[in-house]
Amino acid sequence: AQKVTQAQTEISVVEKEDVTLDCVYETRDTTYYLFWYKQPPSGELVFLIRRNSFDEQNEISGRYSWNFQKSTSSFNFTITASQVVDSAVYFCALSEGGQGAQKLVFGQGTRLTINP
Amino acid sequence: KAGVTQTPRYLIKTRGQQVTLSCSPISGHRSVSWYQQTPGQGLQFLFEYFSETQRNKGNFPGRFSGRQFSNSRSEMNVSTLELGDSALYLCASRKADTQYFGPGTRLTVL
Repeated sequence: AQKVTQAQTEISVVEKEDVTLDCVYETRDTTYYLFWYKQPPSGELVFLIRRNSFDEQNEISGRYSWNFQKSTSSFNFTITASQVVDSAVYFCALSEGGQGAQKLVFGQGTRLTINP
Repeated sequence: KAGVTQTPRYLIKTRGQQVTLSCSPISGHRSVSWYQQTPGQGLQFLFEYFSETQRNKGNFPGRFSGRQFSNSRSEMNVSTLELGDSALYLCASRKADTQYFGPGTRLTVL
């Protein structure tokens, strides 16, 4: 069965610090997608990134970077020089397959607080 | 381009009542999924619809149902509400294997 584990329930850092959110997943499929979503207090889940199982390249987008390692089944997310606006709950998610029906399995989320 | 819209945003019901939530996907997206978010269980998949057909269903009782219309808009219905149905219900529309979420409907059952 699919499973996503975000071991860090809450993280609190001071602004401008770097912070890494961990995500470990379990799946028996060889084809799958991994995602990160951000949920601010308003409640909407904001899509951040999608990575498929065949693409292990790390990605950087501004202050955000993602490290995907199939060998350790991890898909970690780093925020560099954190800002107060980064405060939110962050979810890692996994889906199997591709063009067909898609169901996301979410981790429990990590609540990130950036203090000024 | 407008995002996913959900109505109503907030709802208060009493036990035993039924409720219908609505979701309009991003224009051009034909797949709509529903998720329930609670503090105890987190985010859980309810069902997915594509071209008016349910393609996938999560592990929820039959009181939870949904449908999709020809314009891709979707509704979900919960009958005989229980206190444990209090949650944030999120709708997502999908394109190219990525789901984009709406703001959610917060349902409170008293």
